[in-house]
Amino acid sequence: ETGVTQSPTHLIKTRGQQVTLRCSSQSGHNTVSWYQQALGQGPQFIFQYYREEENGRGNFPPRFSGLQFPNYSSELNVNALELDDSALYLCASSPRGANSDTQYFGPGTRLTVL
Amino acid sequence: SQQGEEDPQALSIQEGENATMNCSYKTSINNLQWYRQNSGRGLVHLILIRSNEREKHSGRLRVTLDTSKKSSSLLITASRAADTASYFCATDGGGGSNYKLTFGKGTLLTVNP
Repeated sequence: ETGVTQSPTHLIKTRGQQVTLRCSSQSGHNTVSWYQQALGQGPQFIFQYYREEENGRGNFPPRFSGLQFPNYSSELNVNALELDDSALYLCASSPRGANSDTQYFGPGTRLTVL
Repeated sequence: SQQGEEDPQALSIQEGENATMNCSYKTSINNLQWYRQNSGRGLVHLILIRSNEREKHSGRLRVTLDTSKKSSSLLITASRAADTASYFCATDGGGGSNYKLTFGKGTLLTVNP
């Protein structure tokens, strides 16, 4: 157990809908990163938040957006869902700011888009 | 895009045997990490090796890094059925993009009792 929690565990949406996923970082960690993992693939970096600001972004369209709150928890929002958005969404927290040192992953949210 | 590529994609061994997985990557790095994932759940960090290190040990794990060949290997000795999982290498971007991890597609290890 890493101390990183995510909610919900599973989610089913239909194409075109919007979804919000939540992540609570491990105590003392001020950086949260989000990853998308399609079936049979490795995780792909979506973006990172550090001190409530987006610190870097992967190759994902603007309909993927996020927030980080003063308590360092975070949300991932996806608008206009597409079938290809079906995946396991992982958040990871780390203690050292803009640094890719060890990241501690939550259990993930499994999103299914029908 | 995937930077790291693990090899083999799948590996099946008997309990007690050693398992070796390899990872190749494309760009310069500050460090390389290995993670483990059980059946579609969250990733668990196993070990981190920095670009100026060549070998690192942690319990039954041994990791090597060859920056000239842009490759790494993970050795699990005396494997157990509980080691059955997917194993991923992850590299940072090096230079100014060290905020993100880039993962390979993983090696699925099955340890048969």
